[in-house]
Amino acid sequence: EAGVAQSPRYKIIEKRQSVAFWCNPISGHATLYWYQQILGQGPKLLIQFQNNGVVDDSQLPKDRFSAERLKGVDSTLKIQPAKLEDSAVYLCASRRGPGTLSLGGRNEQFFGPGTRLTVL
Amino acid sequence: AQSVTQPDIHITVSEGASLELRCNYSYGATPYLFWYVQSPGQGLQLLLKYFSGDTLVQGIKGFEAEFKRSQSSFNLRKPSVHWSDAAEYFCAVGPSGSARQLTFGSGTQLTVLP
Repeated sequence: EAGVAQSPRYKIIEKRQSVAFWCNPISGHATLYWYQQILGQGPKLLIQFQNNGVVDDSQLPKDRFSAERLKGVDSTLKIQPAKLEDSAVYLCASRRGPGTLSLGGRNEQFFGPGTRLTVL
Repeated sequence: AQSVTQPDIHITVSEGASLELRCNYSYGATPYLFWYVQSPGQGLQLLLKYFSGDTLVQGIKGFEAEFKRSQSSFNLRKPSVHWSDAAEYFCAVGPSGSARQLTFGSGTQLTVLP
């Protein structure tokens, strides 16, 4: 089974520029997450999709960040315009979901390798 | 609101020595608890998880963790560390009944000396 794919792996931009990240979840996984991981911190959830609908985007800075999952499969996260403090690793994760946890791990989150963004 | 504290930012152990990484959580009900490992340039990999039942949980790569409700802790242990265990370790908590959202600790960086 292929894992979660993300691209690009690295991106360097100047502040006020725009950037987009792409994520392809594991086949058949209904739930998709975007996390922001700032250096020295744990991942912070930005947005959660269930198929093509948004479940939770309460921590997404909506004035500059946007995300979509139009066909309920792959997803794009965009930052426009970028700020210095957006420098971080952006992680995508997917989960077979929905529903509650089971001991069988049906609802384990699988993470992609991340995109490291540097804003100069 | 749920939260996770990993009090040790960086731990150094010698290869073959035992390891314990600390994790304390704050959550109003019975939490679901996880340990993830992140190697440089890699995504997070699940080591183990606790949902209910036996409070001692076995994971991959020889790791185990013990849930102690009275101490709100979920410490990760390994009896003999290998050089390949050098990585960053994250404890996470999810609300009972769902893995829909995880709250992560700030991580513990593990260095293994030869």
